[in-house]
Amino acid sequence: SYVLTQPPSVSVAPGKTARITCGGSNIGTKSVHWYQLKPGQAPVLVLSYDTDRPSGIPERFSGSNSGNTATLIISRVEAGDEADYYCHLWDGDSDLHVFGTGTKVTV
Amino acid sequence: QVQLVQSGSELKKPGASVKISCKASGYTFTTYAMNWVRQAPGQGLEWMGWINTDTGTPTYAQGFTGRFVFSLDTSVDTAYLQITSLKPEDTAVYFCARETSLAATGTVFDFWGQGTLVTVSS
Repeated sequence: SYVLTQPPSVSVAPGKTARITCGGSNIGTKSVHWYQLKPGQAPVLVLSYDTDRPSGIPERFSGSNSGNTATLIISRVEAGDEADYYCHLWDGDSDLHVFGTGTKVTV
Repeated sequence: QVQLVQSGSELKKPGASVKISCKASGYTFTTYAMNWVRQAPGQGLEWMGWINTDTGTPTYAQGFTGRFVFSLDTSVDTAYLQITSLKPEDTAVYFCARETSLAATGTVFDFWGQGTLVTVSS
């Protein structure tokens, strides 16, 4: 089955840029989505289809996807961005939804 | 606005059953598929499968066949997840998530419930 690998943790200072990677075989050929999870809250879609920001998501959230790595970029990081982040895609070959291993962002 | 509101936490003994609800509002319920996702303690997200809210047809991911049942009550715009013969390893937070297609390259889970904690312990 398709595997998505994320770094377990990323630490970033307020105001700086956080980059969270999601590695998978030829992931650049697939559409990747990113979710923010905070304890006790509903997960929030922060980026869809590699680079699209849903309504209400700050411009500070952006992304890229090429080759074997997709990346979520959080610019001008704020304390409120501290959360777990998961990448996700639908693998058409297996008709399965796959989540990354998750990354804890500490501000 | 779109909302998915799940039922509250459950504490069950091994061997018992549990039924979690996910009530949708703010959109036409039968237009979007509903997915279920599990997060065990200290673990990541795991896709359990989905249910076609128009036909009621469920599809289960590997590892979630047999004891897991997805169902609907379209009269109240609610999806359900039932787990039978509960085991301690079923202890997890269970999320429902609406699935939508915004591009030809696949689907995305655009709205999620707040999660339901199921604890299985004797």
